Formats: sequence, C-alpha cells, structure tokens
Amino acid sequence: EAAVTQSPRNKVAVTGGKVTLSCNQTNNHNNMYWYRQDTGHGLRLIHYSYGAGSTEKGDIPDGYKASRPSQENFSLILELATPSQTSVYFCASGGGGWEQYFGPGTRLTVL
Amino acid sequence: AQKVTQTQTSISVVEKTTVTMDCVYETRDSSYFLFWYKQTASGEIVFLIRQDSYKKENATVGHYSLNFQKPKSSIGLIITATQIEDSAVYFCAMREEGTGGYKVVFGSGTRLLVSP
Repeated sequence: EAAVTQSPRNKVAVTGGKVTLSCNQTNNHNNMYWYRQDTGHGLRLIHYSYGAGSTEKGDIPDGYKASRPSQENFSLILELATPSQTSVYFCASGGGGWEQYFGPGTRLTVL
Repeated sequence: AQKVTQTQTSISVVEKTTVTMDCVYETRDSSYFLFWYKQTASGEIVFLIRQDSYKKENATVGHYSLNFQKPKSSIGLIITATQIEDSAVYFCAMREEGTGGYKVVFGSGTRLLVSP
C-alpha cells in the first residue's frame, strides 16, 4: 500500500487561478517536502516541513505557499497560478535524516 | 549552500555490462550523507543507496555499489550486470542541514539506457 499519495494526479488550471496540491503520508515521518521537476533541472525544493504547523522555504519558494495542518498532510498552494508553474510536482516524506519516500507526482498545466 | 553536480546527461550500455555514473558535490560540513535515487519511466522515484561520509567502506546494495572518493568530493554509482529494467534516470543527492532539520539537494540526473 502506497505510503505517500498525492492528489490530484493531473490538473489543468487557468492563469490567475488558485491551485492546491495535496499530499498524504502514512509513514509517520516528521519531515515532508514539495519539489518540482523540470527538464534539465532535476528536483528542486519548493517548501518543506519538520512537523505539523511548520513550513520552511526551500530553494524556489516564490509564487508558492505551503500548509502542514497535521503529521500526515502537507499541501502546496499556488494563489495566482502562472504558465511558468507548469511542471510535475512531487511530494516526499522523510524521517530520521535518511532516505526520502516519494509520492507518484502531480502533473500541473497552467494555461 | 551545498551543490550536487551530475555532468553526464545520458549513458547507453549493453545489458550485462557494468556502468558508472559520476557525481561531485560541494559542502562545508565535516559530516554529511549522500544518496542515489532512481526514477523509472513511469515517473516513480525510489531510494537506492546511501553513503555516510564518516564511513571508509563503499556502500553496496544488491547490484548497486558506490565509489566514494572523499578527497575528490566524488560519489559514483556503479551498476554491475545491468538489466533492461535498469533503464531510468538516476539522481545523486546530498543531505543539507536546514532550519530545525534537514533538506536534500539533488543533482540534475543521468539518463541510463540499457539495450539488449
């Protein structure tokens, strides 16, 4: 059974609209992460969290907000979506300082 | 900030041979952790292997092993007896201490194609 799930798996949004990407983990990990993946850039960190109620800016946070209401859930919010935010977004969880476990990804297209 | 660099964008090999993927990193930490991840054609990203900087022995898991050269800030991934299903994108990564915890910095990836 998948330990990190993401919803939706695919999303088409309009420029200027609000988009919320959701992530749920059953690993009981304290740490959760949001990355975006674009060709030639690998995985770039947007926001991360060390536990419920905490969020930290990653390397490319501009245009994104994050929310961690519980141990299990971590959301990425695009208040005003732009075409440059078209990408594949991955959520991951990690505990104990070791490897991360990734969700299946969300493909977002902003028109 | 720490940096991870993978200069090989793609590699092609014939199955059952051995391949090495390169990765160099930059860090000011005296103790650090390095990882390799695999992304399959379906997009799934899975952890493969880890090297702790304070360990002199190279990590090995199944047919994956690491060539850790600390003086050169290099951590190569070696896959022996490659199989068709090893075709994927491989990412090198390093743990970096953040505010109150840690985060991970990834390289740009190396695409491996294994052909019959």
